[in-house]
Amino acid sequence: DVKVTQSSRYLVKRTGEKVFLECVQDMDHENMFWYRQDPGLGLRLIYFSYDVKMKEKGDIPEGYSVSREKKERFSLILESASTNQTSMYLCASSEEFHYGYTFGSGTRLTVV
Amino acid sequence: GEDVEQSLFLSVREGDSSVINCTYTDSSSTYLYWYKQEPGAGLQLLTYIFSNMDMKQDQRLTVLLNKKDKHLSLRIADTQTGDSAIYFCAEDATGNQFYFGTGTSLTVIP
Repeated sequence: DVKVTQSSRYLVKRTGEKVFLECVQDMDHENMFWYRQDPGLGLRLIYFSYDVKMKEKGDIPEGYSVSREKKERFSLILESASTNQTSMYLCASSEEFHYGYTFGSGTRLTVV
Repeated sequence: GEDVEQSLFLSVREGDSSVINCTYTDSSSTYLYWYKQEPGAGLQLLTYIFSNMDMKQDQRLTVLLNKKDKHLSLRIADTQTGDSAIYFCAEDATGNQFYFGTGTSLTVIP
């Protein structure tokens, strides 16, 4: 089974801090995604990547950046964390888009 | 983004059938999906249906697709307490990305 591992289940950071969320997948998938999940809003796409060093903005990229230096790793960066970025962050990967995604367990980030 | 709509909450009694509904907007979607999220976990792909199908059955799960009305439903037969979770529908819209619904929180009452 494909495994998508997110490095932290829970994080608490202070406003203004630079925050790194790490995601690693072990099945050589081309495509990786970062979503945030908020109650009543469902999942919203932040960024995705087709390949190493490639990235595309999703629906809500403001305040975030990403890095994909190796195929298996996709990092989400909050350059200066703010309280409105308190959320559940979900990473996913897929071999082909129509095959569906495999999700990590999520990182619940609280910015205080 | 696309609007994929679901009711937020559903409660059923153990042993009854559950029906979770979803409306989507992109008529060019090739596949439509149902994901399940258990408490504290990521999303798990439950089932999917190709857009030229009307129905797909997989054990206790039945997916119905009305392409004309852009309506998707998931029926869970003989609902168990372990089925309590949030259920998301998703469509693979143009642009090679998925759009997820808001999620329906299913509560199964013993």
